[in-house]
Amino acid sequence: DAKTTQPPSMDCAEGRAANLPCNHSTISGNEYVYWYRQIHSQGPQYIIHGLKNNETNEMASLIITEDRKSSTLILPHATLRDTAVYYCIVGAGGTSYGKLTFGQGTILTVHP
Amino acid sequence: ETGVTQTPRHLVMGMTNKKSLKCEQHLGHNAMYWYKQSAKKPLELMFVYNFKEQTENNSVPSRFSPECPNSSHLFLHLHTLQPEDSALYLCASSTPSASDTQYFGPGTRLTVL
Repeated sequence: DAKTTQPPSMDCAEGRAANLPCNHSTISGNEYVYWYRQIHSQGPQYIIHGLKNNETNEMASLIITEDRKSSTLILPHATLRDTAVYYCIVGAGGTSYGKLTFGQGTILTVHP
Repeated sequence: ETGVTQTPRHLVMGMTNKKSLKCEQHLGHNAMYWYKQSAKKPLELMFVYNFKEQTENNSVPSRFSPECPNSSHLFLHLHTLQPEDSALYLCASSTPSASDTQYFGPGTRLTVL
């Protein structure tokens, strides 16, 4: 599976957009980009995933560069409850069950 | 609400005890997973079950014994654990699809004395 690189920590003011970057320069053509977050001592929460196109759901937007070597997760209006560890993961989806390798992620702290 | 439940949420056991962790998913998924998350470490995949068949065992010690009686239930039987096995144990499920998105339960916080 491709590796990802994320900044260890980021800060964001409440109400502002949080933009979390991720590099995945060795991603393969059939690999998806997944984003999860984990609030302290809870199970990871699925946020969004994408293959090539940008995606948006009720939680966030995912912007994937045209060469697919990097992506950005956007939380449009961050709240204090968005403080968590955010994981960017690449994986081949249905062809390889369980092959989601979690790294250290980005600790996002949202300030009042 | 994740649709994946785990019991118990907290467990304290001695090294000679035998206990079981339970996971149940209400999402109609066919694949289930056990992960381990030790303090300050990333999640580590332990086992994968696909349609009740074990398809992955990531060199997990035999003191951890999984059981998947059907696609909705997954157990992790524990015996003669070590203090270093203290961790958050997470269950997840997914369904065969192109993206195979996994959904996690809240976890069981295990402490081995």
